[in-house]
Amino acid sequence: GNSVTQMEGPVTLSEEAFLTINCTYTATGYPSLFWYVQYPGEGLQLLLKATKADDKGSNKGFEATYRKETTSFHLEKGSVQVSDSAVYFCALLYQGGSEKLVFGKGTKLTVNP
Amino acid sequence: EPEVTQTPSHQVTQMGQEVILRCVPISNHLYFYWYRQILGQKVEFLVSFYNNEISEKSEIFDDQFSVERPDGSNFTLKIRSTKLEDSAMYFCASSVGRNTEAFFGQGTRLTVV
Repeated sequence: GNSVTQMEGPVTLSEEAFLTINCTYTATGYPSLFWYVQYPGEGLQLLLKATKADDKGSNKGFEATYRKETTSFHLEKGSVQVSDSAVYFCALLYQGGSEKLVFGKGTKLTVNP
Repeated sequence: EPEVTQTPSHQVTQMGQEVILRCVPISNHLYFYWYRQILGQKVEFLVSFYNNEISEKSEIFDDQFSVERPDGSNFTLKIRSTKLEDSAMYFCASSVGRNTEAFFGQGTRLTVV
């Protein structure tokens, strides 16, 4: 079946450090891929998305590229801020039948000043 | 900016009681979803709803769960006889079309005691 594997957290970084959160997926066909973010005490917000191979999603300085050959969608940011502290979820949406998002376990990021 | 709203933000209920979680999806959206997140675990799909009927449900969504769109704006999740293991954050989401990005509400934290 379809599944998403995210790197285990928690991740703790200093402000202005480089961030990578790894995400790989297993799916039949060509899913759409998403990163959602959950700030403390809040709901899930869509951070970025990519719908086909080689697409790059970007938002708020975060980027992720849909790599079909490695079935990956790693999240990166060049310089994190304290306000980026949150839980990040990678998710896929299978385009051929199921309507459900399949989420990874989430990676908690803490950025210290 | 349009958003999905959920009420209440937190509900405490006794085991065996019925609860109704309420959601107002984004007004021009046609697909509605419930997900849940047990503390420390993955976000899990429960059910999707389109054209006034369930279009997909997970194995979690057993006979104690039901969904309804009673008045054209609200979308509700009812749990008939709550169990301790139903304690979780419940997220409502909506999307414009099938297999398009979903927008999530802030969540309702359900605590069964």
